[in-house]
Amino acid sequence: NAGVMQNPRHLVRRRGQEARLRCSPMKGHSHVYWYRQLPEEGLKFMVYLQKENIIDESGMPKERFSAEFPKEGPSILRIQQVVRGDSAAYFCASSPTAAGSEQYFGPGTRLTVT
Amino acid sequence: KNQVEQSPQSLIILEGKNCTLQCNYTVSPFSNLRWYKQDTGRGPVSLTIMTFSENTKSNGRYTATLDADTKQSSLHITASQLSDSASYICGAERGGGNKLTFGTGTQLKVEL
Repeated sequence: NAGVMQNPRHLVRRRGQEARLRCSPMKGHSHVYWYRQLPEEGLKFMVYLQKENIIDESGMPKERFSAEFPKEGPSILRIQQVVRGDSAAYFCASSPTAAGSEQYFGPGTRLTVT
Repeated sequence: KNQVEQSPQSLIILEGKNCTLQCNYTVSPFSNLRWYKQDTGRGPVSLTIMTFSENTKSNGRYTATLDADTKQSSLHITASQLSDSASYICGAERGGGNKLTFGTGTQLKVEL
């Protein structure tokens, strides 16, 4: 059973470009979470999705950031018009059920904005 | 405000020695407390999950404790190995949701 997969592992974007980060959850998992980790800071919750639904997006910046988890295919975290402050590691986690269940993390996507 | 604080920020120990990492949380309502190990450049890997009714849980050489009254947890590592060098992250989950609040981690280095 493959673990959580994220791609790309590294992404370089110039200021103003768009960044698309992909996350394929573990097989059988229908709950996906996105976290951001800045250097010297802890993981910060961004958004929690189930298939075709956003359950909790309280950690997402109001502008430029969006997330989706379609019926088919991976979950996508999209950052429009990136700025230098968006440079961070973005981690995706998945779980088989709801609250209290184990969250399995992917290897992360390291976004660098130049 | 929901917060998780960890101490120490960093720690260096000799191989074979034991160590204890601390975590204080103010997440409310509280559901469970988790410890993760994160190697440099990798995603976090779960070590333990404890609900408010559990006082201790072990995973090999890792033993976590939880005091829900004082809102404190600790992670004890026994007979440390070089491969234990990593960041250890504490996370608390609120009741009623899957949202985790994490501390900034303790950076552990095990030396010969």
